[in-house]
Amino acid sequence: SAVISQKPSRDICQRGTSLTIQCQVDSQVTMMFWYRQQPGQSLTLIATANQGSEATYESGFVIDKFPISRPNLTFSTLTVSNMSPEDSSIYLCSYLGTRGAFFGQGTRLTVV
Amino acid sequence: QKEVEQNSGPLSVPEGAIASLNCTYSDRGSQSFFWYRQYSGKSPELIMFIYSNGDKEDGRFTAQLNKASQYVSLLIRDSQPSDSATYLCAVNMGTGNQFYFGTGTSLTVIP
Repeated sequence: SAVISQKPSRDICQRGTSLTIQCQVDSQVTMMFWYRQQPGQSLTLIATANQGSEATYESGFVIDKFPISRPNLTFSTLTVSNMSPEDSSIYLCSYLGTRGAFFGQGTRLTVV
Repeated sequence: QKEVEQNSGPLSVPEGAIASLNCTYSDRGSQSFFWYRQYSGKSPELIMFIYSNGDKEDGRFTAQLNKASQYVSLLIRDSQPSDSATYLCAVNMGTGNQFYFGTGTSLTVIP
């Protein structure tokens, strides 16, 4: 399976600011996804990052709050905009391989 | 979000016992089912997948799928303390091949 890396691994941000998380895969992949995992919870799908077109967002998530880019088949970014303490969470990128979805190491975000 | 439900747990079993984890899903058209293990502070890691009705064995793990009942399970035989983790059921569904995760079941194997 391809190696997927994500950065930053953690950050502490002031409310009202934005953070961009980067996700890099070492080979081309068709499908990339972004998830949020709140403390003690399971993974919630935010959106599917589509190469060359706008991301497909799940119910409850909007582009203005979580803009996503996918400029090519190996890279994607998720921005968490105008952050509030409720955005404190782990954000995970993943790609769809032939045998399942594989995950980056996650970004632990704390908003103060 | 598509619905994927797991038995809430937490689940505790003694070392050497069989741990049984269950999952139901809402989309009858789903074709692919996965079990992930997540250790505290780590990302989910794939244990196994199953596409066809019946059982699939991989070492100490057996996945069972019943599409008519929209039910998938994971059995862990000879449970070890190192199996203590949260187990996540994932279902590949929707028009975009998205992965939807269940609520997770926390398993503790007691030495």
